[in-house]
Amino acid sequence: DTEVTQTPKHLVMGMTNKKSLKCEQHMGHRAMYWYKQKAKKPPELMFVYSYEKLSINESVPSRFSPECPNSSLLNLHLHALQPEDSALYLCASSQDLATYEQYFGPGTRLTVT
Amino acid sequence: AQKITQTQPGMFVQEKEAVTLDCTYDTSDQSYGLFWYKQPSSGEMIFLIYQGSYDEQNATEGRYSLNFQKARKSANLVISASQLGDSAMYFCAMRGGGSGGGADGLTFGKGTHLIIQP
Repeated sequence: DTEVTQTPKHLVMGMTNKKSLKCEQHMGHRAMYWYKQKAKKPPELMFVYSYEKLSINESVPSRFSPECPNSSLLNLHLHALQPEDSALYLCASSQDLATYEQYFGPGTRLTVT
Repeated sequence: AQKITQTQPGMFVQEKEAVTLDCTYDTSDQSYGLFWYKQPSSGEMIFLIYQGSYDEQNATEGRYSLNFQKARKSANLVISASQLGDSAMYFCAMRGGGSGGGADGLTFGKGTHLIIQP
């Protein structure tokens, strides 16, 4: 099973809302990642978790708050977002940080109104 | 810092022809990995093929092969016998050793939009 799942598939939220994106994998991977992809652009790394600890934060604004409650689950909490935060949010996982191959989920399409 | 360059924003190819998608990279890492991903309009990033910097043989996965020329820092993707379902965005990506000794996230090129025509 090489599946990474993400929920919801689509999300529309207002600028004052609080919402969360969820990512789950059951491959026993210990590294998980959040990427942001704007339309017609490549994905950009946001956060890296390794063994449930935040390893990399690529200078992401505090309105994005990641959380890794256990080795299978990665959340991205959203609060007070701006319309320019509308994008496809992709989650990925790898066996660990030393393993290069990453498996991606289908993404959540976020629209901020 | 790592950089990936894909110089073909879009390509039109006739069905059943072979396709070569170009990718060059720049890195100061000795150990790194190179990837190709396919992204259909649905958005999912589908892993196609991987080449490690120390691998002496070019990687192959079914109809996909990676033409790795280390001295030229190029990692072109070759798709043999293209199919209509190959129409998608294709990203070349790299992952290096990282300054902290562990690998970082992926660095992507800008992508090539491939359209296969019947």
